[in-house]
Amino acid sequence: KNEVEQSPQNLTAQEGEFITINCSYSVGISALHWLQQHPGGGIVSLFMLSSGKKKHGRLIATINIQEKHSSLHITASHPRDSAVYICAVVVGGGADGLTFGKGTHLIIQP
Amino acid sequence: NAGVTQTPKFQVLKTGQSMTLQCAQDMNHEYMSWYRQDPGMGLRLIHYSVGAGITDQGEVPNGYNVSRSTTEDFPLRLLSAAPSQTSVYFCASSYIGQAPSYNEQFFGPGTRLTVL
Repeated sequence: KNEVEQSPQNLTAQEGEFITINCSYSVGISALHWLQQHPGGGIVSLFMLSSGKKKHGRLIATINIQEKHSSLHITASHPRDSAVYICAVVVGGGADGLTFGKGTHLIIQP
Repeated sequence: NAGVTQTPKFQVLKTGQSMTLQCAQDMNHEYMSWYRQDPGMGLRLIHYSVGAGITDQGEVPNGYNVSRSTTEDFPLRLLSAAPSQTSVYFCASSYIGQAPSYNEQFFGPGTRLTVL
């Protein structure tokens, strides 16, 4: 079973700061998802990546498959970025669903 | 499009009662799945389906049944509720494509279930 570890578990930062959330996993994977869970509970997909880097607005996700590590960065953070960020990995052919990390609880203070 | 809808949003049951959590999607997704989310743990897969008439077990299937009679609907049945099933339940859907897990996952708003 793939162990997915996220760090930090909790992060409080000031508006405007550059945020980094890390995800590491124990078994080789074929792809990785980053998800955002809003304070109300809804979950939305941010990125799916299998190599390199992806950028969407102020969000950047990177992955190093060989080092079994991915990062999610938020530039110019804003209070509306406050949420739980979840990493989930795809193992093998992807037919068996995702294995999820426990999430990183981010609070951005004005 | 409504996306993925779940009902009810909240439910309280007594031990031993049965109930069905409803999930529907209007995106014509082949793949649908049910997860539970517990404090201090990641989402865990309960059951999934790759199309109408096809279902399979995930990581934590005990105590739950599913069926997929249409592409749109994927209900989750609790046969005899237990306090250990107190959790938040999420339904999700996606296209299958190369494999479901490679595609964007669309989640419902969740059902918060308490079993007394």
